Amino acid sequence: DTAVSQTPKYLVTQMGNDKSIKCEQNLGHDTMYWYKQDSKKFLKIMFSYNNKELIINETVPNRFSPKSPDKAHLNLHINSLELGDSAVYFCASSQDLTRTGYEQYFGPGTRLTVT
Amino acid sequence: AQSVTQPDIHITVSEGASLELRCNYSYGATPYLFWYVQSPGQGLQLLLKYFSGDTLVQGIKGFEAEFKRSQSSFNLRKPSVHWSDAAEYFCAVGGSGNTGKLIFGQGTTLQVKP
Repeated sequence: DTAVSQTPKYLVTQMGNDKSIKCEQNLGHDTMYWYKQDSKKFLKIMFSYNNKELIINETVPNRFSPKSPDKAHLNLHINSLELGDSAVYFCASSQDLTRTGYEQYFGPGTRLTVT
Repeated sequence: AQSVTQPDIHITVSEGASLELRCNYSYGATPYLFWYVQSPGQGLQLLLKYFSGDTLVQGIKGFEAEFKRSQSSFNLRKPSVHWSDAAEYFCAVGGSGNTGKLIFGQGTTLQVKP
């Protein structure tokens, strides 16, 4: 019954590898997001998609590529992983892009560790 | 530019004591304001929000917040803290343009003493 789910919860990998994080929401929302939380717990938006269309791309390196196969899924693929990519990545969703779109529901996070 | 400042990085209160977490924002228009809570190892949960209307908003778990335009503040309060309230608290402001973009403060860690 989880509203926003992410897999995997933990991901440990070596520099230079390519990895993906998957996100699914069962809330029937139109909009989904990826956030990055760094080691100081600072949260910053990376991407948002509305009805599978990219809305926000916050100057994220192009090694990061989001993909939205349908409204309920937003995956994050990362190429050539670097040490600085180590962080917790959160997926979130919201109903739409009206003001209620700011009321976002977050997944449990994926802790990525690059060694 | 829009920004959110949470002046207190870490706060410790005794169980049963009152709590106030500070949040100041910078935004040109009437902001959409939020408080989220993050328990250890968990995602963020929305505590309460302000869009318009009554400046005192009630949230879940006994929390409330007051929007003060003149002070550009949206402080979170709870009259009596429980040990289970120990967590990370984030204030956020909704960015302009109906993009859904949330700008977060740096968070306040709340520790509760027995």
